[in-house]
Amino acid sequence: QQPVQSPQAVILREGEDAVINCSSSKALYSVHWYRQKHGEAPVFLMILLKGGEQKGHEKISASFNEKKQQSSLYLTASQLSYSGTYFCGTGGTGGFKTIFGAGTRLFVKA
Amino acid sequence: DGGITQSPKYLFRKEGQNVTLSCEQNLNHDAMYWYRQDPGQGLRLIYYSQIVNDFQKGDIAEGYSVSREKKESFPLTVTSAQKNPTAFYLCASREARGRVNTGELFFGEGSRLTVL
Repeated sequence: QQPVQSPQAVILREGEDAVINCSSSKALYSVHWYRQKHGEAPVFLMILLKGGEQKGHEKISASFNEKKQQSSLYLTASQLSYSGTYFCGTGGTGGFKTIFGAGTRLFVKA
Repeated sequence: DGGITQSPKYLFRKEGQNVTLSCEQNLNHDAMYWYRQDPGQGLRLIYYSQIVNDFQKGDIAEGYSVSREKKESFPLTVTSAQKNPTAFYLCASREARGRVNTGELFFGEGSRLTVL
């Protein structure tokens, strides 16, 4: 089942912060975050694993609440280049499927 | 340079025709995936393959078929049975570590299919 992302869209001024949330109704082993610019392929940002391991981007952080099956992506001091659509992808313990949410559109203006 | 190559980038097809989208990777990844992207719906999983000669249906497999005869290749055929095939199709791959997906997905540039 597709994870639920919120908000659907957000507009920021440069330098402002934003939080994007992702929740699943299923038990999760991993949460992935990607950013996609219009017409381009998604680019990897961060992966969070059950047990606390994280791998990813220097300027973007994320959290993973295993009990609540939720993850949040924190964008601090946003830059114009942060604009795009952010997707969370979730993986269970049963194999190699990664299921993505519908995305959060982020627009950063000067 | 290692990466994933999808072709063609743009494709037009008449209703009732089958079309095959190519996906090739030289990353030596075991697992490969096909996603469909429609506006406002994110990425939906069509098929995935963990090893050669094995593949699994995703959430929207009806009207699609795949093969995995070689590790580096995972072509997707959009058949005439797919009712609404116009979409952006993304191929991805990842390393297969153990039994769970802990590695990042590497995506191709995508193929945009339009049915006339």
